[in-house]
Amino acid sequence: DVKVTQSSRYLVKRTGEKVFLECVQDMDHENMFWYRQDPGLGLRLIYFSYDVKMKEKGDIPEGYSVSREKKERFSLILESASTNQTSMYLCASRETTGLNTEAFFGQGTRLTVV
Amino acid sequence: QQQVKQSPQSLIVQKGGISIINCAYENTAFDYFPWYQQFPGKGPALLIAIRPDVSEKKEGRFTISFNKSAKQFSLHIMDSQPGDSATYFCAASLSGSGYSTLTFGKGTMLLVSP
Repeated sequence: DVKVTQSSRYLVKRTGEKVFLECVQDMDHENMFWYRQDPGLGLRLIYFSYDVKMKEKGDIPEGYSVSREKKERFSLILESASTNQTSMYLCASRETTGLNTEAFFGQGTRLTVV
Repeated sequence: QQQVKQSPQSLIVQKGGISIINCAYENTAFDYFPWYQQFPGKGPALLIAIRPDVSEKKEGRFTISFNKSAKQFSLHIMDSQPGDSATYFCAASLSGSGYSTLTFGKGTMLLVSP
């Protein structure tokens, strides 16, 4: 059974803290993604990675960075957490070969910044 | 700029009725159109997907209708059941690229009343 695992279901952090969200996939996928989900705004792409140590900005990268040191692991970093980063964060992975490939999502991390 | 517009934002349907969710896209280069289903507390999961070389795809009670000239596609859920109550996201993607990303609509919250 394919799996994308996010390290935390719920996180509460203080404003200004450095926050790490971890994601691991066991499908040997090249592509990995970080989205944030907010009511009425849907899923918005923060960053994605198509290979180890490679990253690309998505639609809303400001205030975030990412790290991909190993193929199976993709980390989202909030350098200095702010209250407007309170959200649900979703990690996904996707195969690159083939034309129409399914994206597999983790269960999400609900982050609250106080 | 929102590349995939989804409507309605929310939908209430009686058990046994037909649920219809619509999406419109702008980029004519998109060639893969999936629908994702998300239950509370879970990540989205692929429900059904279509490519623009066909006008309809059916899987059980779920059907995608695709209108290439109008740049629109829709999800029909026949004989809607309370277990179908979830948030539905349409998406669009470019294939043929090593790192194609999925662009999502804002989502539709479906409630099927018993």
